[in-house]
Amino acid sequence: TQLLEQSPQFLSIQEGENLTVYCNSSSVFSSLQWYRQEPGEGPVLLVTVVTGGEVKKLKRLTFQFGDARKDSSLHITAAQPGDTGLYLCAGEPAYGGATNKLIFGTGTLLAVQP
Amino acid sequence: ETGVTQSPTHLIKTRGQQVTLRCSSQSGHNTVSWYQQALGQGPQFIFQYYREEENGRGNFPPRFSGLQFPNYSSELNVNALELDDSALYLCASSLSPGGSETQYFGPGTRLLVL
Repeated sequence: TQLLEQSPQFLSIQEGENLTVYCNSSSVFSSLQWYRQEPGEGPVLLVTVVTGGEVKKLKRLTFQFGDARKDSSLHITAAQPGDTGLYLCAGEPAYGGATNKLIFGTGTLLAVQP
Repeated sequence: ETGVTQSPTHLIKTRGQQVTLRCSSQSGHNTVSWYQQALGQGPQFIFQYYREEENGRGNFPPRFSGLQFPNYSSELNVNALELDDSALYLCASSLSPGGSETQYFGPGTRLLVL
């Protein structure tokens, strides 16, 4: 069973702090995506990483895909209240299943206090 | 360009009843995927429809079924509802199947089974 574990599960920080969210698995993924979901809405795609070791930056957000394509991290610099939401990683399994199936992580709920 | 829409937004049913949820895909998208998201967790893949055919299924029992219409809109049907079926049901459309393809999510239908 492919499983994506995220840590931490909950995070409450002050505006201006930095944070890192981790997404780990024992399975290999062809690609990995990060989403943010706000209350009452569906997840919105932030980034897709496809190459082991790849690093992508989106303003204050930095995403990294592990060399072995089994894990990923999201780092936010100088967090702002607008970053508040549920952060989800999601991967396309590289082996042993329909390649159209997206496996979602367990989620990290981030609250940034002003 | 119209985004992904879902109806109804909220629904209350009792155990044993049947429910139909609807999803209109984004213009130009021929693929719709359905997910179940329990409170505080990541979405779980139910199934995907591509050009009116089921194109992959997650670990859900046969009482979860679906349809896709010629205009690529889709329905999710759940028979013999159970209490554990209470969740947010999300649909996502994409230009083509494939886990790395960008999926655009609707706002979801929140189902409560009493």
